[in-house]
Amino acid sequence: GNSVTQMEGPVTLSEEAFLTINCTYTATGYPSLFWYVQYPGEGLQLLLKATKADDKGSNKGFEATYRKETTSFHLEKGSVQVSDSAVYFCALSDGQAGTALIFGKGTTLSVSS
Amino acid sequence: DSGVTQTPKHLITATGQRVTLRCSPRSGDLSVYWYQQSLDQGLQFLIQYYNGEERAKGNILERFSAQQFPDLHSELNLSSLELGDSALYFCASSRGVVEPQHFGDGTRLSIL
Repeated sequence: GNSVTQMEGPVTLSEEAFLTINCTYTATGYPSLFWYVQYPGEGLQLLLKATKADDKGSNKGFEATYRKETTSFHLEKGSVQVSDSAVYFCALSDGQAGTALIFGKGTTLSVSS
Repeated sequence: DSGVTQTPKHLITATGQRVTLRCSPRSGDLSVYWYQQSLDQGLQFLIQYYNGEERAKGNILERFSAQQFPDLHSELNLSSLELGDSALYFCASSRGVVEPQHFGDGTRLSIL
């Protein structure tokens, strides 16, 4: 079945450091891929998305590229801020199996000043 | 603010009881999804409605049921509650069935 695997956290970085959170997926067909972010006490917010191979999603300095050959969708940011501290979820939606999201287990990011 | 409203924010009840969680989708969104977030299972899809009709089912227990009303709000009913049902329950909505989903802040259910 479809699944998403994220790197285990927590990830602890200093402000202005480079961030990579790895995400790989298993899916039939051509899924859409997403990154969601969850701040403490809040719901999930869509951070970025990509709907086909080689698409690059970007938002608020975060980027991720849909790599079909490696079945990956790694999240990157060049310079993190304290305000980026949150839990990040990689997710996929396989249109063939429906549009419900399948999530990874989430990666906690903690940024210190 | 995502525009998705969930009530109540917190719910504390006992085993064997029944509760109803409510979700109002963003204005204009026809599709509603329910998810459960727990420490051991992570985020799991429960059920989806589109314009009043059930569209997809995930790992939803038989003790759980949901519906979407003509005004498009949705309710998730959980009955014969067990300790393991303690979790954060999220509702999400989207314009159609392929657009990105927008999540509410969740209802935290605690079973004592």
